[in-house]
Parts: sequence; C-alpha cells; structure tokens
Amino acid sequence: DVLMTQSPLSLPVTPGQPASISCRSSQSLVYSDGNTYLTWFQQRPGQSPRRLIYEVSHRDSGVPDRFSGSGSGTDFTLRISRVEAEDVGVYYCMQGTHWPLSFGQGTKVEIK
Amino acid sequence: QLYLQESGPGLVKPLETLSLTCTVSSGSITSRSFHWGWIRQPPGKGLEWIGTIYYSGSTYYNPSLESRVTISRDTSKNQFSLRLNSVSAADTALYYCAFYYGSGSSFNIWGQGTMVTVSS
Repeated sequence: DVLMTQSPLSLPVTPGQPASISCRSSQSLVYSDGNTYLTWFQQRPGQSPRRLIYEVSHRDSGVPDRFSGSGSGTDFTLRISRVEAEDVGVYYCMQGTHWPLSFGQGTKVEIK
Repeated sequence: QLYLQESGPGLVKPLETLSLTCTVSSGSITSRSFHWGWIRQPPGKGLEWIGTIYYSGSTYYNPSLESRVTISRDTSKNQFSLRLNSVSAADTALYYCAFYYGSGSSFNIWGQGTMVTVSS
C-alpha cells in the first residue's frame, strides 16, 4: 500500500503570509498513462472535503488562485500565497494512482 | 451539477450490519466514466477510503475492510449503497459518498456525510 506522509501536521499562519504543506508518497504516483494522480482537499470545520487541486497542479473551478500545487514522483507541495481567515481547516493529500487509494494524515491550518 | 445525499441509520449495534445509501441527483450512476466512492472519517480523525464502484459496476475495496464490505448499486433508483458487516466501535464515523469522473480517483463532489455510531 502507498503511504502518504504530510508535514507539518499543524500550521499556524499569520493572515497575509504564505503557507506550504508537504506530501510525500512511499511510491511514485506516476501512472501508466503518464499522469500523476495526486489530489489536495480542503476540509473546513463542520464541512465535507472540497477538492482544490487535482493531478498535482490543476486548480478546480472557483478555487482562489492563491492556492497552487506542485511536485512530481513522490514529493508534492500545496502552497497558499497569502493566507486568509477562510483558509482555516484541515488539508489532505490523496493518491489515486495505486489501489488502495490513500490519504495523508491531514494538516491543520490555523490563524495565529 | 451532481448532488449526492447519504441516508441510513445513525445507530448500529455491535456485530450487526451497517447499511447506507447514496442517492444521486442530476446525473446517472451508469454514465460512462462516472465513478462513485465511500469514504469515512472517525470523530476527530482523518479520511479513510472504503471502496469505489465504477459506472460499469466493477468494485474496488480497501483491503483493510474488504472482508466486511460490499458496495452495490440500484440503477432503477440511481443509488449506490454500502454494507459493512460485523461492526464494532472502531467503525463509528462520518460516512461520505463521493463522485469523480474519469481516471485518478479524484473525488470532486461529496455528499454532506452521515454520522454512524456503533453502540449497544
């Protein structure tokens, strides 16, 4: 099984400052079709997860452009260029390349 | 826009079977490349993938639950369902149904979730 490891697990951020979350996989997430199925989700308090980024770096419609994803192979990053109060929540990475699907432990973003 | 709604008992006794249904609106569960999944989240913890059913009816399960899980569908009602046998307190969680299109299992539409507590 593919283990997804996020860091940090807790991230206090000052509004207006950048934030970065790392996600590492125990195996390469490059699929046989050449795509890399790494997704980032945001879960605000009391809400269902919301997809922010798919295939490493493709931002979903309606997601602010302060969110960006990057990486390749086994090493991925979600960046928030300037954190806003509405960004508070838990962020998860998930790999969809290998069965069984697996999520990272989650990174809790909070405002200082 | 697709809409997913989970339903089922909120309380299940230990060793009994948990049964949940996801009703899909504004889209057919048999549309080509439409895929459907169940994910759960124990209180205060992270997300765990339970299983996926493809538009074709093929199913994939988390090996950690595979011996107890069945995901099925009712095309006449445009629903898919989860059954989890022999439950214990460890199965207490918020259960989500979710959707994605094409490859990559990137769930982009989620239901609101339904809380299931296992207790006598």
